[in-house]
Amino acid sequence: DVKVTQSSRYLVKRTGEKVFLECVQDMDHENMFWYRQDPGLGLRLIYFSYDVKMKEKGDIPEGYSVSREKKERFSLILESASTNQTSMYLCASSRARYGYTFGSGTRLTVV
Amino acid sequence: GQNIDQPTEMTATEGAIVQINCTYQTSGFNGLFWYQQHAGEAPTFLSYNVLDGLEEKGRFSSFLSRSKGYSYLLLKELQMKDSASYLCAVTDSNYQLIWGAGTKLIIKP
Repeated sequence: DVKVTQSSRYLVKRTGEKVFLECVQDMDHENMFWYRQDPGLGLRLIYFSYDVKMKEKGDIPEGYSVSREKKERFSLILESASTNQTSMYLCASSRARYGYTFGSGTRLTVV
Repeated sequence: GQNIDQPTEMTATEGAIVQINCTYQTSGFNGLFWYQQHAGEAPTFLSYNVLDGLEEKGRFSSFLSRSKGYSYLLLKELQMKDSASYLCAVTDSNYQLIWGAGTKLIIKP
């Protein structure tokens, strides 16, 4: 069974902390994505990557960075967490032009 | 700009049929997806349409009209477990997925 795994289901962090969200896929997919999902706003793309060490900004990259050192792993970094970054974070992967497989999500609360 | 519209919320009765509409305006079109998302969980793939017409998969069907920028998801013989949000997403000319905000479907006994 193909899988995208996010390291944490729930996280609580303090304002100003550096936060790492990890995502690993076992499908050998080229493409990986980080989204945040907020009520009424749908899925908003933060960053994506089409290859190792490659990254592209999505619609809302401010306050975030990413790292893709290996094909199977795509990390999202909140450099200095703020309360407006409280959200559900979803990682997804895909092969070429096909549909996405999502991880189970990380619900991050910044206090 | 690029835009996908779908109703915010719908209510239906167990055993009935419901149709969730999606209209889109995107720069190019390379396919339309429907995903199901239960509360607190990740979206899961339901269907993919790239050509006009109806695709049937069990109790779920998805229809596409590219000329009208329109799709619908049809759910038959509704069950309580179908209570979820349904997300419409379109792949644009750059193969980027553009997401609708989702339709929350409430099933009543």
